[in-house]
Amino acid sequence: DTAVSQTPKYLVTQMGNDKSIKCEQNLGHDTMYWYKQDSKKFLKIMFSYNNKELIINETVPNRFSPKSPDKAHLNLHINSLELGDSAVYFCASSQEGPGTGAYEQYFGPGTRLTVT
Amino acid sequence: QKEVEQNSGPLSVPEGAIASLNCTYSDRVSQSFFWYRQYSGKSPELIMSIYSNGDKEDGRFTAQLNKASQYVSLLIRDSQPSDSATYLCAVNPLGPGGGNKLTFGTGTQLKVEL
Repeated sequence: DTAVSQTPKYLVTQMGNDKSIKCEQNLGHDTMYWYKQDSKKFLKIMFSYNNKELIINETVPNRFSPKSPDKAHLNLHINSLELGDSAVYFCASSQEGPGTGAYEQYFGPGTRLTVT
Repeated sequence: QKEVEQNSGPLSVPEGAIASLNCTYSDRVSQSFFWYRQYSGKSPELIMSIYSNGDKEDGRFTAQLNKASQYVSLLIRDSQPSDSATYLCAVNPLGPGGGNKLTFGTGTQLKVEL
């Protein structure tokens, strides 16, 4: 199936730990994103990569470090986890440029992170 | 002022009725507008995109855009219980070529009652 996939689906960890979330898309898109959805369901962009280049960085603490090894993958590493990091993290992808479906973002299933 | 505003609801409509969801945005240069549906515990699912003033229809869904009034809406005809979800309005304030930073509203919860 063509889709955006994320692993793991659930992540429970203690404060102070370091964790990573992985994302892969097989839609052939050239831009990938990380979003955070908080407990009030507000969805906010964190980062965006276009062809492995960081293009959007939304004043996210530097404990969060995205990495894009190629345009089909975007990972998110979080250092020194805090209680406030508990949220659902969504990966998304889109195809830039003109044409049908341009700029439409497609979301992965999400990773529910719980920090205790 | 919030960048993208939606009434949080819940909006309750009877089965078979038309559901009307509204969204206003603050940045006049916004060029791209999207409606996502999100079921509880699931990811946002794109259902409509609209870029030009006027109406765009896709099956039971119609998106309406009025850039002068900074207003975008979603109409769902013949509402079904399976349409019960939270509907998120998303706006690209930078426009094509300026990066694809979507700003989301807080969503409107729709309940379709039997």
